[in-house]
Amino acid sequence: NAGVTQTPKFQVLKTGQSMTLQCAQDMNHEYMSWYRQDPGMGLRLIHYSVGAGITDQGEVPNGYNVSRSTTEDFPLRLLSAAPSQTSVYFCASSPRTGTGEQFFGPGTRLTVL
Amino acid sequence: AQSVTQLDSQVPVFEEAPVELRCNYSSSVSVYLFWYVQYPNQGLQLLLKYLSGSTLVKGINGFEAEFNKSQTSFHLRKPSVHISDTAEYFCAVSDVTGFQKLVFGTGTRLLVSP
Repeated sequence: NAGVTQTPKFQVLKTGQSMTLQCAQDMNHEYMSWYRQDPGMGLRLIHYSVGAGITDQGEVPNGYNVSRSTTEDFPLRLLSAAPSQTSVYFCASSPRTGTGEQFFGPGTRLTVL
Repeated sequence: AQSVTQLDSQVPVFEEAPVELRCNYSSSVSVYLFWYVQYPNQGLQLLLKYLSGSTLVKGINGFEAEFNKSQTSFHLRKPSVHISDTAEYFCAVSDVTGFQKLVFGTGTRLLVSP
């Protein structure tokens, strides 16, 4: 059981480039979420999904796109990277009928120059 | 909507001393409460959670927290810290109907020195 996996671990982009952060979970969890972590700001919710084919915006969705075609995968797309998107990104999953705990991946550290 | 305030951005403490990390929340509905720990360059790991029942919750690594509804607080405590407890600690809340949407505090960095 790998839990929640994220790739890549590190990424450097130039302003305007696009990329996809990958997230996968093997626990058959219905709920998946993307957060960004910035110094002094804690974690903020970007997008979340309550099941395959269903996504919704969180607190800071601008500049990011998501889709959920399978239960296992929840990729996060940056369409045109900006320096303000330099951050550490965490993916998390949780079961629909659970105790409220979310299981986090190891994170992706993204730098936009 | 919910909000979380962690009053201390950094707490320095000596090894084997007690520690309390403070967390206050605001919500118009009933909430679940969580403490997560993040060790350097790692993801978040659940320390403990309050869902209902006893207001004193025990978690991993000797940590405990007490839910105080009247003061809207959920402070984290440990009677004797170790060097290995050095990490960042996040308090989080979610409303009882939408637990997948966690709202986090800004975090408290616990620095344990010998």
